[in-house]
Amino acid sequence: RKEVEQDPGPFNVPEGATVAFNCTYSNSASQSFFWYRQDCRKEPKLLMSVYSSGNEDGRFTAQLNRASQYISLLIRDSKLSDSATYLCVVNPYNQGGKLIFGQGTELSVKP
Amino acid sequence: DAGVTQSPTHLIKTRGQQVTLRCSPKSGHDTVSWYQQALGQGPQFIFQYYEEEERQRGNFPDRFSGHQFPNYSSELNVNALLLGDSALYLCASGSIPGQGNSPLHFGNGTRLTVT
Repeated sequence: RKEVEQDPGPFNVPEGATVAFNCTYSNSASQSFFWYRQDCRKEPKLLMSVYSSGNEDGRFTAQLNRASQYISLLIRDSKLSDSATYLCVVNPYNQGGKLIFGQGTELSVKP
Repeated sequence: DAGVTQSPTHLIKTRGQQVTLRCSPKSGHDTVSWYQQALGQGPQFIFQYYEEEERQRGNFPDRFSGHQFPNYSSELNVNALLLGDSALYLCASGSIPGQGNSPLHFGNGTRLTVT
């Protein structure tokens, strides 16, 4: 079993749609969770951290369920510029530097 | 404020050769981590350097080695290159290695092709 697993992609959605990405992780002792965004042939960039109480940043909402070892990202009112690969990321040992990345889910938002 | 810089951007090598990739961390950061990203996959952790020492290591063979200099910059060396080493190599910098919730900042990466 992979340490971090994500929904297979790609997701093709029209502008304005709501899209949800899911992710599960295997290490129950994991402490820190993130969503990164990666544009084609570019470096990953932090989209948002994920907190136990859930958190929102504009059109983006992240949720964490520690009991189920499940992380989600919801994007509302998708824009063309949201097209990218979304990476679910876990820091299993709460030590900076060693992040475990999921395979990534590609999102394509169409006009 | 310069971000994480990596060089070179692209590199083509032949099987069996050796390669050195370079990274300068973001200003104010003192830890450097290296990741390998194969096509269609998420980045895989290679190792992390802090205070000029390797602090954590992922599941990579000894052919992968590194170094951190007093100015916090870092090198990744790969010996005896294999075709499977072809990937995007990403450098990430951060501060305070014990704080797992500190975000990492990635460089643009070096795309290595082994023929």
